[in-house]
Amino acid sequence: ETGVTQTPRHLVMGMTNKKSLKCEQHLGHNAMYWYKQSAKKPLELMFVYSLEERVENNSVPSRFSPECPNSSHLFLHLHTLQPEDSALYLCASSQGGQGYGYTFGSGTRLTVV
Amino acid sequence: TQLLEQSPQFLSIQEGENLTVYCNSSSVFSSLQWYRQEPGEGPVLLVTVVTGGEVKKLKRLTFQFGDARKDSSLHITAAQPGDTGLYLCHAGGTSYGKLTFGQGTILTVHP
Repeated sequence: ETGVTQTPRHLVMGMTNKKSLKCEQHLGHNAMYWYKQSAKKPLELMFVYSLEERVENNSVPSRFSPECPNSSHLFLHLHTLQPEDSALYLCASSQGGQGYGYTFGSGTRLTVV
Repeated sequence: TQLLEQSPQFLSIQEGENLTVYCNSSSVFSSLQWYRQEPGEGPVLLVTVVTGGEVKKLKRLTFQFGDARKDSSLHITAAQPGDTGLYLCHAGGTSYGKLTFGQGTILTVHP
């Protein structure tokens, strides 16, 4: 399997649930990212893991928690989300960072009820 | 911080027409990428431009990076229904905090 794989593709969760999104890349890239895509808003960078360093957007609420156990896997742990967190969550990878081309996964469509 | 402005936001045209999408900023970038995203999928990289004034062609798509590396354009010749999608520009800065995407141009090409 090649490219960037995200699971699940769709997720419906209640506000009190805990769930995790998974991302896996088989490209040998050394940087992985979580992006949030909401309707009528630009793609929003949430977290970056590059060479085992974590960089985050300070506006991301603490109910989102990333984990990167190795260079091929990335998780986004979700806890007590709000309805406004409903969006498409995209994982991406790149070789190097700072504007190199990304390879995106197909995303997880998250609905918080 | 929204550093990139894309225009137009929506474009609806007939098959065979030409179109241009613009991506503008007041900042200088080391590189700029264009992506196309189809419903239910992630964006797919079309091209990366890195040199001021650079022009790259991908079949019927022509990409140009401004001389000052602050803006870019995407021109599609003889658009086809398969070109329908969301077109996004993205620019690299000097740190991850400055990575940014434009808000996108939704293109619909009618048969």
